[in-house]
Amino acid sequence: DTAVSQTPKYLVTQMGNDKSIKCEQNLGHDTMYWYKQDSKKFLKIMFSYNNKELIINETVPNRFSPKSPDKAHLNLHINSLELGDSAVYFCASSQDLVEYGEQFFGPGTRLTVL
Amino acid sequence: AQKVTQAQTEISVVEKEDVTLDCVYETRDTTYYLFWYKQPPSGELVFLIRRNSFDEQNEISGRYSWNFQKSTSSFNFTITASQVVDSAVYFCALYAYSGAGSYQLTFGKGTKLSVIP
Repeated sequence: DTAVSQTPKYLVTQMGNDKSIKCEQNLGHDTMYWYKQDSKKFLKIMFSYNNKELIINETVPNRFSPKSPDKAHLNLHINSLELGDSAVYFCASSQDLVEYGEQFFGPGTRLTVL
Repeated sequence: AQKVTQAQTEISVVEKEDVTLDCVYETRDTTYYLFWYKQPPSGELVFLIRRNSFDEQNEISGRYSWNFQKSTSSFNFTITASQVVDSAVYFCALYAYSGAGSYQLTFGKGTKLSVIP
């Protein structure tokens, strides 16, 4: 069974569109995360979220919003896509938020904005 | 402000050699956490270790070991008897108070390790 899954694996879309990436974890973890890895392989944390708290990296544009229908899911919604949003997006989960405990990552979603 | 520096962009070693990946960090916080992640050519991210700032004991896990030295703000990672499967990009990261009212996780730029058979 896959611990952290993401869909789709590849997403190609036009500038200006709105898109979502789904993430699900079956580990029973309380905390989930979104990371962005750009074309130069630079990694950045975008959000961390548990039932009580959403922590947003202040450098993330407000076009990006996490949506959590339940504890096992944290979807990433992106409005008005821009060329610079092209990247690989990783979802992750951990048992708790405190100090970023051991994280398990999804396989990544490669987003290409044309 | 906080910063993580991985000065080695790329390293190549021959299989069975030992290799050390350097990580130097900057933070004004006294409580912080350090991490190493592995990203093999297949692209997935793998969490390797987390260490808090109050625990300077070195850690060993099989062929992997980590040397944390607060005096030099370094958290180096050594692979003993390297294998081809160790070929990957390795990221060091720091979780500390950002000074802007929140904690932040900051990554180094990564070191690409190639192990040649």
